[in-house]
Amino acid sequence: DGGITQSPKYLFRKEGQNVTLSCEQNLNHDAMYWYRQDPGQGLRLIYYSQIVNDFQKGDIAEGYSVSREKKESFPLTVTSAQKNPTAFYLCASSRQTIFEAFFGQGTRLTVV
Amino acid sequence: QQPVQSPQAVILREGEDAVINCSSSKALYSVHWYRQKHGEAPVFLMILLKGGEQKGHDKISASFNEKKQQSSLYLTASQLSYSGTYFCGTDDSGTYKYIFGTGTRLKVLA
Repeated sequence: DGGITQSPKYLFRKEGQNVTLSCEQNLNHDAMYWYRQDPGQGLRLIYYSQIVNDFQKGDIAEGYSVSREKKESFPLTVTSAQKNPTAFYLCASSRQTIFEAFFGQGTRLTVV
Repeated sequence: QQPVQSPQAVILREGEDAVINCSSSKALYSVHWYRQKHGEAPVFLMILLKGGEQKGHDKISASFNEKKQQSSLYLTASQLSYSGTYFCGTDDSGTYKYIFGTGTRLKVLA
């Protein structure tokens, strides 16, 4: 079955450590996205990528980095520069022409 | 800038109707609607591509007023399963930068 997979589901990190969230899709979608969701708040765009080896900053990119070396994969690294990283992170993919997003199940990151 | 949704939250009894509004300060080229259950990923409901377009999905429908830069989601005869947070989304200024609105929490009571 086609879909988008995020791992891990829960992640705990000590302050000062970098951590990488995985996102893989087998839908053959060109575009991939990372969003952050805080309790009771909407989805805010961190980074997005339309094609392999190219990505753009979203509205809250500071403290995050991404790579897009393969069409299927779009990992997100939360760096120690991110001041408040505890949040629910959602990865999505879509066809390039029409945005009908398919979301992964999310990763809940907690800084301890 | 995120589209603004209103109301922020609404509580309904089963069978009641609700309207959720989504307003943008920028021109809208398309609008899409999603519903998210607590702790789950958002699920696509529908997309509207043309100004003035209306769509329906069971008892959930939506309209898109391009000139007013607004979209509305209509939930008719609400069911318990309609509970969740609803998001509108759009491509920022017709780019591939897809952003979501502030969200509306909807709870349907028996």
